[in-house]
Amino acid sequence: GAGVSQTPSNKVTEKGKYVELRCDPISGHTALYWYRQSLGQGPEFLIYFQGTGAADDSGLPNDRFFAVRPEGSVSTLKIQRTERGDSAVYLCASSPHVDTGELFFGEGSRLTVL
Amino acid sequence: AQSVTQLGSHVSVSEGALVLLRCNYSSSVPPYLFWYVQYPNQGLQLLLKYTSAATLVKGINGFEAEFKKSETSFHLTKPSAHMSDAAEYFCAVSDRNSGYALNFGKGTSLLVTP
Repeated sequence: GAGVSQTPSNKVTEKGKYVELRCDPISGHTALYWYRQSLGQGPEFLIYFQGTGAADDSGLPNDRFFAVRPEGSVSTLKIQRTERGDSAVYLCASSPHVDTGELFFGEGSRLTVL
Repeated sequence: AQSVTQLGSHVSVSEGALVLLRCNYSSSVPPYLFWYVQYPNQGLQLLLKYTSAATLVKGINGFEAEFKKSETSFHLTKPSAHMSDAAEYFCAVSDRNSGYALNFGKGTSLLVTP
């Protein structure tokens, strides 16, 4: 389809494991964003990319979280040594231009850490 | 830093009644303001946005919002609620200082009763 695609849609892992979440943005969109949404909360900003570079990673909670976008399209959010508190829905969004503020969201990847 | 506050985590209206969802913002520079909607098991979808043009903004599905600088508000309204409007609604703000990354409120769950 033409929308933002996120995989996996659901991921269950054990505490301490490593997890990768993938985002495939809308073709041609230069800006890509990662958010995290916990139950009953609004989406929380993590990081955004303009092209291949991370323009703002101030929302990453700690150094266990890392994201890449090596070719300026697909992005991967990587979480090391997962903790139960990392359980949330991880949302990816893309935008044709960074200054429009109009984000197109995927349906998210639900991460459950046991 | 910019932020938004949504008053009322749950709002219930009768079908056909006025919908009013409240949002107040805080920003040190002219903001961009948004309302997003999240239907059950779906991704976030843009309802409308304010980007310093007309202060009364019309969006999809009959929703509109008015930017009031004096009140730092951006409340969402719809004259007549439909059952299909039941969803989670998020107000969000961005500005050039934040690199246009959206900061979301905690959301308001709208329930429409017959």
